[in-house]
Amino acid sequence: VQLVESGGGVAQPGTSLTLSCAASGFTFRSFAFHWVRQAPGKGLEWLAVISYDGGEKNYRDSVRGRFTISRDNSENTLYLQMNTLRPEDTAMYFCARDFRAYGVGPFDYWGQGILVTVSS
Amino acid sequence: EIVLTQSPGTLSLSPGERATLSCRASQSVSSNFLAWYQQKPGQAPRLLIYGASFRATGIPDRFSGSGSGTDFTLTIGRLEPEDFAVYHCQHYGTSLTFGQGTRLEIQ
Repeated sequence: VQLVESGGGVAQPGTSLTLSCAASGFTFRSFAFHWVRQAPGKGLEWLAVISYDGGEKNYRDSVRGRFTISRDNSENTLYLQMNTLRPEDTAMYFCARDFRAYGVGPFDYWGQGILVTVSS
Repeated sequence: EIVLTQSPGTLSLSPGERATLSCRASQSVSSNFLAWYQQKPGQAPRLLIYGASFRATGIPDRFSGSGSGTDFTLTIGRLEPEDFAVYHCQHYGTSLTFGQGTRLEIQ
C-alpha cells in the first residue's frame, strides 16, 4: 500500500491550490479516503472524507464551502481542491485510507504528507 | 462533536519502563470507536489500536488499548527506543476528531 501526495507549496492568501494523492498496491475503488492536516507543532485535524464511489462527501465546518474533496477511481487518485486560502491553512496535509468503503474510520494507511504554506 | 482530551501532555520515561497514556472523551464513545496512532518526527501517523483494544496489523503486543465510555488508555508494556514518539487518540464513526496528542520522550 502506498499513498503519495503532491501539489503542495507556497500560495498567497486568497488563491487556490489542488492537492493530489496517488494510490497504489491495493484496490483503490474499494475504500473511502480522508484528508487530514497538521499545523506546525499542533495536533491532527480531520478535514474531509469521500466514500468509495465518490457519492458521499463530508467536511469539517471550517473548510466546508472552501475545500472540495474528489476522486478518480480510473486513475487511483484522490484530490483536495482548496480555494480562498488563508494563512491559518498553513499545515502538512495528509491523505489517509479508511478501513472501509464508507468513511467512518479508522485510518489504516497514510501518505507521507505534503506541506502547504499560505503567505504573502 | 466529541472532544478528546489526552493526558499527560508530555511523558518522560526510560527504555524498559511501562507507559500509560490517557484519552478522555467529552461524551460517551459508542461502540468503542476509539483509535490510537503513533507519529514520529517527519513521519505520517501509524495506526496502532482500533475499537479501543484491537491491535492493527503488525503492531507488537507490548502495545495494548483498554477502556470504554469516556475513558480510554494506551499502555506500552516495556518501552523500546523506537517507541518514543507522539501518540494521538481519535474518535471515529459519527464524528472524526483527534486528541491534542501526548509526547512520549526519553528521560
